[in-house]
Amino acid sequence: ETGVTQTPRHLVMGMTNKKSLKCEQHLGHNAMYWYKQSAKKPLELMFVYSLEERVENNSVPSRFSPECPNSSHLFLHLHTLQPEDSALYLCASSQDRDSGQPQHFGDGTRLSIL
Amino acid sequence: LAKTTQPISMDSYEGQEVNITCSHNNIATNDYITWYQQFPSQGPRFIIQGYKTKVTNEVASLFIPADRKSSTLSLPRVSLSDTAVYYCLVGDWGTSGTYKYIFGTGTRLKVLA
Repeated sequence: ETGVTQTPRHLVMGMTNKKSLKCEQHLGHNAMYWYKQSAKKPLELMFVYSLEERVENNSVPSRFSPECPNSSHLFLHLHTLQPEDSALYLCASSQDRDSGQPQHFGDGTRLSIL
Repeated sequence: LAKTTQPISMDSYEGQEVNITCSHNNIATNDYITWYQQFPSQGPRFIIQGYKTKVTNEVASLFIPADRKSSTLSLPRVSLSDTAVYYCLVGDWGTSGTYKYIFGTGTRLKVLA
């Protein structure tokens, strides 16, 4: 139990589908993050939210659209993805975005694009 | 951006102490050093974090010399379940005021019976 829950754990979708990844944290944290982990590559930070406001977008293509309706929930909306987008998508949270305190990760969504 | 260098892989036997050293020559004065553990198909798990000297918790110790250009994660008496990838991270405050972790490729530790 990590305190950060991601659903679904696995997702297979076609390039024309629209789907959403969900992340929920019950740690009372104010910052939430989306990461992408591709095979044999380091984790890549995609988006950062602080107090429900997006504070960072690391040049992520617009086919990935994040949403943070409240401090406990984070979504990643997916549309018209490419095969190279197949990866493990990880959500994380931390007390604040500028505290340097450890991030707590969920177990990710394994995404496969057909 | 600060970066880390750590061995790609290590093998050890059950019951041994494992030390994984990480180099971070360009670490900034206000950066922390953080270690994570990751099992296949799971998210990284926080192990330990330190700024200087030595930090110890119930699972590991972290040794940081005075110049802070390297650090060593020490796992006492490893078991088969410690087989995982271990990441050494230093942060970066960047220009947005967000403290960002910079993940490298990690060290793949294999514990043998």
